[in-house]
Amino acid sequence: GDSVTQMEGPVTLSEEAFLTINCTYTATGYPSLFWYVQYPGEGLQLLLKATKADDKGSNKGFEATYRKETTSFHLEKGSVQVSDSAVYFCALRFGTASKLTFGTGTRLQVTL
Amino acid sequence: GAGVSQSPRYKVAKRGQDVALRCDPISGHVSLFWYQQALGQGPEFLTYFQNEAQLDKSGLPSDRFFAERPEGSVSTLKIQRTQQEDSAVYLCASSQGLAEQETQYFGPGTRLLVL
Repeated sequence: GDSVTQMEGPVTLSEEAFLTINCTYTATGYPSLFWYVQYPGEGLQLLLKATKADDKGSNKGFEATYRKETTSFHLEKGSVQVSDSAVYFCALRFGTASKLTFGTGTRLQVTL
Repeated sequence: GAGVSQSPRYKVAKRGQDVALRCDPISGHVSLFWYQQALGQGPEFLTYFQNEAQLDKSGLPSDRFFAERPEGSVSTLKIQRTQQEDSAVYLCASSQGLAEQETQYFGPGTRLLVL
C-alpha cells in the first residue's frame, strides 16, 4: 500500500542553522504531497503542498520540491528560528477529497 | 472564522466503557475525516464523510468503532467496549468541497485514555 517514510527525530539545531527533513514515499501513481506542522499544544496545520512532479511548495521560509524520480519531498529551511520548534509530518493524498497518509513525524527542536 | 472544534478535549474511560467523541467542522464544509494518532506516530485514517454519506470506512479498526454525520455537519465517533489499545488522540478534519486542491483543516483532537 501507499506509505510515507520520514527521517527519525528528534532533530536539534541551533537558531539560524539550515534544516533538512527527509521524506520519501511509496505509491502507485502520482499523489499530491504535503507537509503539516504541529506546534506544541496546537492542532495540525498545513505548511505547504505540491500536486505534481517538479512543483515546489513554499511557506514561511520552508520549501519542498516534488521529485518524482527519487519519490521524495524533502523539507528545507535556510535559517531556522526557535519558533519553528514543532513536529513536522509529511503526507500524501490521491485524488479528490480523499484520505491523507502520514509519515510518523519528525520532531524539530531549535535552541538559541 | 471558527475552525474545526472537537469535544471533549480529554476523555478518560475504564476498559469496557462506551465513549462518544464529537466534531464540529467548519461551517459549510462538505468533507469530514476522522483520524487516529497513537503516541509518537502519524495520524491514521479512520473514515470519511461527504455531507451525510459515509463513503469510506476502511480505516475503522474493528466493529466497535462507529461514526455518523446525520445532518451533514456535526459528526460523532463512537467507540464501544473500549480497550487499552484504543488510547490515542482522535483527530477530525474538514475540507470545503471535493476539488483536488482542497485543504484539510484539522481540529485540536480528543485525547482518549483507556484504563
